[in-house]
Amino acid sequence: QTVVTQEPSFSVSPGGTVTLTCGLSSGSVSTSYFPSWYQQTPGQAPRTLIYSTSTRSSGVPDRFSGSILGNKAALTITGAQADDQCDYYCVLYMGRGIWVFGGGTKLTVL
Amino acid sequence: QLQLQQSGPGLVKPSDTLSLTCTVSGGSISNSPYFWGWIRQPPGRGLEWVGSVSDSGSPNYSPSLKSRLTISVDTSKNQFSLRLSSVTAADTAVYYCARHDYRDFDYWGQGTLVTVSS
Repeated sequence: QTVVTQEPSFSVSPGGTVTLTCGLSSGSVSTSYFPSWYQQTPGQAPRTLIYSTSTRSSGVPDRFSGSILGNKAALTITGAQADDQCDYYCVLYMGRGIWVFGGGTKLTVL
Repeated sequence: QLQLQQSGPGLVKPSDTLSLTCTVSGGSISNSPYFWGWIRQPPGRGLEWVGSVSDSGSPNYSPSLKSRLTISVDTSKNQFSLRLSSVTAADTAVYYCARHDYRDFDYWGQGTLVTVSS
């Protein structure tokens, strides 16, 4: 079964820029996988940041952006803030009615 | 505003069947272009898509859970449900229901911690 890969952890300085990625154990991520990105704070349900590769969900600040970088989907946060410190998940649509979440990235802002 | 409200027991015995229901308000499951899905998260771990169902009742399941899983929809009650049989401690998780399409899981339930223990 194909695994969706994310960096387990990442660190960024306040005001800095960080790019989290979402890849496949076999193959390349393209827009056909409809990559989406979710932010989860402890004890809360995830909320959508980005869907369809690069479309920001309603109310999401424009310092969050999505793209395809090389063979992976990417989430870039510019001007990182303290409350960006939480977990980030990507999801890929694998076709045939199957969705797969990545393992998540724990982002530290310090 | 669409709301998803989950209900079901928080404790299930090993080998029993886990059952959860998600009631949708502020919108109808019927004649909807969306999927109605379940996602789980073991304590301290990541999210896992469990399965989804369309308004027609056609389900899709995670291959790793398919043999134990039933997801169904009751349009008359505007609800959809999850049944996971033969549970073990590995099924202990927060279970979320969610509305989604191919692109976006846009509305989520509040989450239910289900512990499998005797």
